Amino acid sequence: KQEVTQIPAALSVPEGENLVLNCSFTDSAIYNLQWFRQDPGKGLTSLLLIQSSQREQTSGRLNASLDKSSGRSTLYIAASQPGDSATYLCAVEKGGSYIPTFGRGTSLIVHP
Amino acid sequence: DAEITQSPRHKITETGRQVTLACHQTWNHNNMFWYRQDLGHGLRLIHYSYGVQDTNKGEVSDGYSVSRSNTEDLPLTLESAASSQTSVYFCASSPGSPGAEQFFGPGTRLTVL
Repeated sequence: KQEVTQIPAALSVPEGENLVLNCSFTDSAIYNLQWFRQDPGKGLTSLLLIQSSQREQTSGRLNASLDKSSGRSTLYIAASQPGDSATYLCAVEKGGSYIPTFGRGTSLIVHP
Repeated sequence: DAEITQSPRHKITETGRQVTLACHQTWNHNNMFWYRQDLGHGLRLIHYSYGVQDTNKGEVSDGYSVSRSNTEDLPLTLESAASSQTSVYFCASSPGSPGAEQFFGPGTRLTVL
């Protein structure tokens, strides 16, 4: 059974710092890995989707990498801002299932 | 723009009542999913559908049912609401192709008294 772990569970940093959020998974037979953002009381918003054949994806200040063989992904946030405060979840889709397995998320607070 | 909507956004009901939560997507996606999110458990899959007339049980399906009569809608029914079903419920959809992005609705907060 696929297990997805996100470390750290919570993070509080001053504005301007560059951040790395980690996601690890136990079964490397995945189709993709997706990073989401969730604001309090809101739904999940897709940030980045990395296909299994890709190594990384970038969107603005966000960069996500994928190392299938080691079962790891990182989400890099450059020059963090208070508006980045949210919970970040990663999810991996097992090959052929269309069903993602989610991590518990990293709760990020960026203070001014 | 295409979107996925849920209604109601908030619902309070009593134990034993039947409750139906609506989910509607305009992307014409084949796959639709229902999750519940609880502190300490994260997101858990309740039911999912790969297309019209197709439904499947997820890891926490007891006490819930779904039906898929068209592409756009996947209503979730709690047959006899229990306090343990107090939660935030999310609907999601994705195209019917491997590795495709999944999109989420805004959620329904359900309280069972």
